[in-house]
Amino acid sequence: DIQMTQSPSSLSASVGDRVTINCRASQNIYKYLTWYQQKPGKAPEVLMYDASTLQSRVPSRFSGSGSGTEFTLTISSLQPEDFATYYCQQSYSIPWTFGLGTKVEVK
Amino acid sequence: QVQLQESGPGLVKPSQTLSLSCNISGDSINSGRFYWSWLRQSAGGGLEWLGRIYATGSTHYNPSLKTPVTISVGTSQNQFSLRLNSVTAADTAVYYCASESRGLQLFLYWGQGILVTVSS
Repeated sequence: DIQMTQSPSSLSASVGDRVTINCRASQNIYKYLTWYQQKPGKAPEVLMYDASTLQSRVPSRFSGSGSGTEFTLTISSLQPEDFATYYCQQSYSIPWTFGLGTKVEVK
Repeated sequence: QVQLQESGPGLVKPSQTLSLSCNISGDSINSGRFYWSWLRQSAGGGLEWLGRIYATGSTHYNPSLKTPVTISVGTSQNQFSLRLNSVTAADTAVYYCASESRGLQLFLYWGQGILVTVSS
């Protein structure tokens, strides 16, 4: 299985901050990485796929980059509705696997 | 807009079988647009993909699972089901059904999730 490692596991930030979340794959997954946002009590929702393609209706303050084994999700200016947990998922080979998540909390 | 809804018991005894159903609305299970998947999320937060079924009936499962899993088309129209045999406390989790977009291979639509506790 491809292992996905996210860092940090949590971070504290303020509204307006620039936030960066990292995801590392245990082997080359090319561009096949999806980012999800999950709020308490809700199912995850797609933010970004193919590493850098923004899902429709997702605000442009979210951006993704990377390829191969190293990926980054950036929120350019954190908004109140962005406090949530973020997960990366590889879609290169079955079984699909997820990172353990990064919780973005209020500073 | 595809909507998914999980149903089933919230409490299962150890060594018994966990059975859940997912009702699909807004699309047909036979449309070929999606793979129909089950995932779960433990209390620690980790998301785990269990497996999927396609319109043709073909299935893929996560080979890393310790508990045997079966995904099938449901007995009622536009449903698919999950069975886990001989469950243990480690199978306690929120279980989600989701539609996996063909080609992009991302989980586009999700059910609200159902908490299943394995306990005597």
